[in-house]
Amino acid sequence: AQSVTQLGSHVSVSEGALVLLRCNYSSSVPPYLFWYVQYPNQGLQLLLKYTSAATLVKGINGFEAEFKKSETSFHLTKPSAHMSDAAEYFCAVFNDYKLSFGAGTTVTVRA
Amino acid sequence: GAVVSQHPSRVICKSGTSVKIECRSLDFQATTMFWYRQFPKQSLMLMATSNEGSKATYEQGVEKDKFLINHASLTLSTLTVTSAHPEDSSFYICSAAGGGSSSTDTQYFGPGTRLTVL
Repeated sequence: AQSVTQLGSHVSVSEGALVLLRCNYSSSVPPYLFWYVQYPNQGLQLLLKYTSAATLVKGINGFEAEFKKSETSFHLTKPSAHMSDAAEYFCAVFNDYKLSFGAGTTVTVRA
Repeated sequence: GAVVSQHPSRVICKSGTSVKIECRSLDFQATTMFWYRQFPKQSLMLMATSNEGSKATYEQGVEKDKFLINHASLTLSTLTVTSAHPEDSSFYICSAAGGGSSSTDTQYFGPGTRLTVL
C-alpha cells in the first residue's frame, strides 16, 4: 500500500523566511501526491497536487512542491512566510480511490 | 468552484441520542463522497466511502450500524451517528470528488462538524 511520511510535526519560521515542509512517499507505482492546508476548526483546502506531469508543481498562496523520484520526496516550500501561513499542513497520497494522509505538520510563524 | 458545505458546524447532544450531519457539494455533482474523523492534533482517519445510490464502503474497524451513511443524490451525503456516546465526540469532515472538470482523484473538503456528546 502507498503511504506518506511527514518529517517534523512542528515547524517554526520567522515571517519572511523560507518555509520547508518535508514529505516522503512509499509507492511501487507512480503516485498521485497532494498537499492540503487546514486552518483551526476548518476543513482541508487543496494547496497543490502532483499527477505525473511536471515535477515542479505550483499551488495557491505562493506554495510549490517538487516531486523527486530518486529521493521519493514531495517537499512543500514557500520562499517567504506570512503570518497567515500559520496552519496545519498535510501531505497525502491517492491510492485505490482513497487518500492516505501523513500525520501533519504544524507551522507557526514568528513576527 | 468545488465548494462543499457541512451542516451543522457544531452540535452538542446527550449520550444515547442520534445525530445527523449533512454534506453537500454546492456547485458540482459528486460521484463519490468520503467521511473522515479527526481527533485533536491528529491526522484524518477515513471512515467510509460512498457512491451515489450505492451502499457505503466502510474502513476496517468502523462500525456500520453506528455510523450510518446515506448518499441519495449526487450533491448530498449524510452521516448519522446512532446512540452517540462521549467517545464519539470528534471533528467529522466530509469530502466530495468527481464533479465537473476535476478528476476523481481530487477531493474537496467541507468545513467540518464538531460533535460533542455529553
